[in-house]
Amino acid sequence: ETGVTQTPRHLVMGMTNKKSLKCEQHLGHNAMYWYKQSAKKPLELMFVYNFKEQTENNSVPSRFSPECPNSSHLFLHLHTLQPEDSALYLCASSQAPGRTTQETQYFGPGTRLLVL
Amino acid sequence: GENVEQHPSTLSVQEGDSAVIKCTYSDSASNYFPWYKQELGKRPQLIIDIRSNVGEKKDQRIAVTLNKTAKHFSLHITETQPEDSAVYFCAASMNTGFQKLVFGTGTRLLVSP
Repeated sequence: ETGVTQTPRHLVMGMTNKKSLKCEQHLGHNAMYWYKQSAKKPLELMFVYNFKEQTENNSVPSRFSPECPNSSHLFLHLHTLQPEDSALYLCASSQAPGRTTQETQYFGPGTRLLVL
Repeated sequence: GENVEQHPSTLSVQEGDSAVIKCTYSDSASNYFPWYKQELGKRPQLIIDIRSNVGEKKDQRIAVTLNKTAKHFSLHITETQPEDSAVYFCAASMNTGFQKLVFGTGTRLLVSP
């Protein structure tokens, strides 16, 4: 699979577990994003990384911890989640926007997370 | 912050009809408006976008219009086909040094043969 890939595609975890979601982009982009998609809610931006630096934390609880070791990889570390955290977690990437330009974001297939 | 509202939440049309989805945004500084299509179980995919220096953009059966004064933009699909059935999301973004897309709640489009 090319473009933006995510693993695992499905994850079931208990509230005391620790797990990590992985995203990898093969598009040569330098900005990466985590989104949460819940039923009947808009896509919610969680984190933004530009050139490996976190530039946005959209008031996300500390039980979600992102990591961006390089421009091609993005992780979301999960610990002590709640059932309401069950959702589809989408990764996206783009070229870093310029001062006057916006760039298309390309999404991965997502990880369907169920917290029991 | 930016707020994007999208209507309708569901839209059913007959094959060959046109479909229109409307979005409004709150922040006049927003200058980029993409539309994404998400088929069941698949990732959102960009289908068309428009920037604030343009009033209309067309790509085959799909067009987007932008009214900056009224702060609304619309997606128009002509000659709809069953494969157009999906959830469509609008979004708005402004230059803030990084790109922060604010999405609408989505429109489920069903095209019946």
